[in-house]
Amino acid sequence: GAGVSQSPRYKVAKRGQDVALRCDPISGHVSLFWYQQALGQGPEFLTYFQNEAQLDKSGLPSDRFFAERPEGSVSTLKIQRTQQEDSAVYLCASSSSGTPHVGHTQYFGPGTRLTVL
Amino acid sequence: GQQVMQIPQYQHVQEGEDFTTYCNSSTTLSNIQWYKQRPGGHPVFLIQLVKSGEVKKQKRLTFQFGEAKKNSSLHITATQTTDVGTYFCAGGSGYSTLTFGKGTMLLVSP
Repeated sequence: GAGVSQSPRYKVAKRGQDVALRCDPISGHVSLFWYQQALGQGPEFLTYFQNEAQLDKSGLPSDRFFAERPEGSVSTLKIQRTQQEDSAVYLCASSSSGTPHVGHTQYFGPGTRLTVL
Repeated sequence: GQQVMQIPQYQHVQEGEDFTTYCNSSTTLSNIQWYKQRPGGHPVFLIQLVKSGEVKKQKRLTFQFGEAKKNSSLHITATQTTDVGTYFCAGGSGYSTLTFGKGTMLLVSP
């Protein structure tokens, strides 16, 4: 594909609602990352997939956050019982590398801005 | 855990002036990447440095990786209004994923 796409671009949720954020990575990219970016901050790592395997979920802030990539392409980040502190931009990035770090560019999507009222 | 700090948080320059942002890691890094995020946009990859003491140039941008692989800098010569944005460094260590700094926001006045 042309790039990483994310949907929806904007989401407003009432506190306590569940939300699902979608990421379509660049076609063929093995690695997929989710980040949370609060206003004025850098992206903070949430979780990492290599194909369909979730290899690192150490950054997920609570058990209300869940991510999946069942077929190794599209990924969904789900937040249950949203809280106001969940308000942030959620960025997805993909990489052609099968390893999460050295040597490989991460291509970011436009992000989903989540506002929890 | 690994921490990556950037200074300054914010800089406002006149067009034509130079700009430098510094990045320091609490641990030795295997690589460092730099990204630029325009206002309202998403991070876009600029460059990666891997070797100790490495220096790379992209037109008016010069990137350096320290000898100890714990710090890095980005220098922009003769800034232009198109350089406006937030510049992030992101460090990788061992088998960990990237840790981003908080970024340096650059404003350039014409």
